[in-house]
This record gives sequence, structure tokens and C-alpha cells, in this order.
Amino acid sequence: AQSVTQLGSHVSVSEGALVLLRCNYSSSVPPYLFWYVQYPNQGLQLLLKYTSAATLVKGINGFEAEFKKSETSFHLTKPSAHMSDAAEYFCAVSDRTGGSEKLVFGKGTKLTVNP
Amino acid sequence: DSGVTQTPKHLITATGQRVTLRCSPRSGDLSVYWYQQSLDQGLQFLIQYYNGEERAKGNILERFSAQQFPDLHSELNLSSLELGDSALYFCASSAPGQGPQYFGPGTRLLVL
Repeated sequence: AQSVTQLGSHVSVSEGALVLLRCNYSSSVPPYLFWYVQYPNQGLQLLLKYTSAATLVKGINGFEAEFKKSETSFHLTKPSAHMSDAAEYFCAVSDRTGGSEKLVFGKGTKLTVNP
Repeated sequence: DSGVTQTPKHLITATGQRVTLRCSPRSGDLSVYWYQQSLDQGLQFLIQYYNGEERAKGNILERFSAQQFPDLHSELNLSSLELGDSALYFCASSAPGQGPQYFGPGTRLLVL
């Protein structure tokens, strides 16, 4: 069964610093991987997705993620944090068994950006 | 704006009651997914419909049911509500082969 582990439930960075949010996955088939962001009292917004094309995926708001099969990782990065990046971030893997494409989510990482 | 709409935005009800949550997918999307987000369980997949037919079931309680109508909107019915059913319920939609990429704003259910 597919699963996702996000290391660190809380990450705090200074404005302008590198953002690194960690995600490791387990999948019995080549995975489709996603990062979503959730701002307070809002729904989930897709940041980026990996569906077996380029291993370095660029998303919205300056975020990118690199798929590393050997490390079963899909870490999310942004070179310079902005105050508006403060939110909760979820990594997810698509479970495509049985013809479905449901998502299996990690527990989330809450990002705080300090001025 | 994802193009997925959900109503109502907030719902307060009592234990033992029944409620219906509604979701309209993005135009052209045939798949609708329902997820529950709670503090203790995180984001959990409940059920998927594809073009009116149930496609996959997750951790959905027997007290919960869903359906997708010919116009592709979907309803999630929650009955015999318990305090523990208080959560955010999200609907997502997708086109075939793309995964559930587009989430609605959610319905926040509070059971008192």
C-alpha cells in the first residue's frame, strides 16, 4: 500500500531563508506525488505534481520539488521564504490501485516564517 | 478559485442528526472524491465516484453514504452523527489520469 511520511510537523524559518520540507514515500508502483498547501480556514491548493516526467518539478509561488527514487523522497524547497508562505503543507501519493486515483496524505508540516 | 464548490461552508448540528454535504466538481471533471480532515486522523480518503458510479471506498463509516448525480454533482450524507464526526469535509474533482488535484473550500461540520 502507498504511504507518505513527512518529517517534522513544524518547521520555522526566517524570512529570506531556504525552505525545506521533507517527504518520503512508499509505493509498490511508480508513484505520482503531489504537494498541497493549506492556508488557515481554506481548502487545499495544488503546489506541484510529479507524474514520472522530469524529476525536478517546478510549482507555483517559487516552490520546487525533486523526485529521488533511490531515496524514495520528494522534498519541497523554496530558495527564499516569504511571510505569505506561512501555511500547512501536505505531501501526497496517488494510490492507483483498483482504478482509483485517491490520494494518501502525510500528516502535514506547518511552516512558520519569522520576520 | 479551484472551480470546485461546496455547500454549506459551515454546519452546526446535534448528535444523532443527519446532514447532507454538497459538492459541484469543476466543469468537465468526471471524478469526485470526498475526504475528511480532523486533528487526530489528518486527511483521510472517504469515497470516490466516477461518472455516477462508485469507484473506490476508503475509511468511510457505515453511517456515511454518498452519491453522484447525472449532472455530476455529489452529495455526502452523514447520519446518526456523533461528536467525533466533527471535522472538515473536502470534496475534490479531477479529469481521468490526473489525480484529485482540485479541492473545494470544504464544509466545516460541528456536532454538539
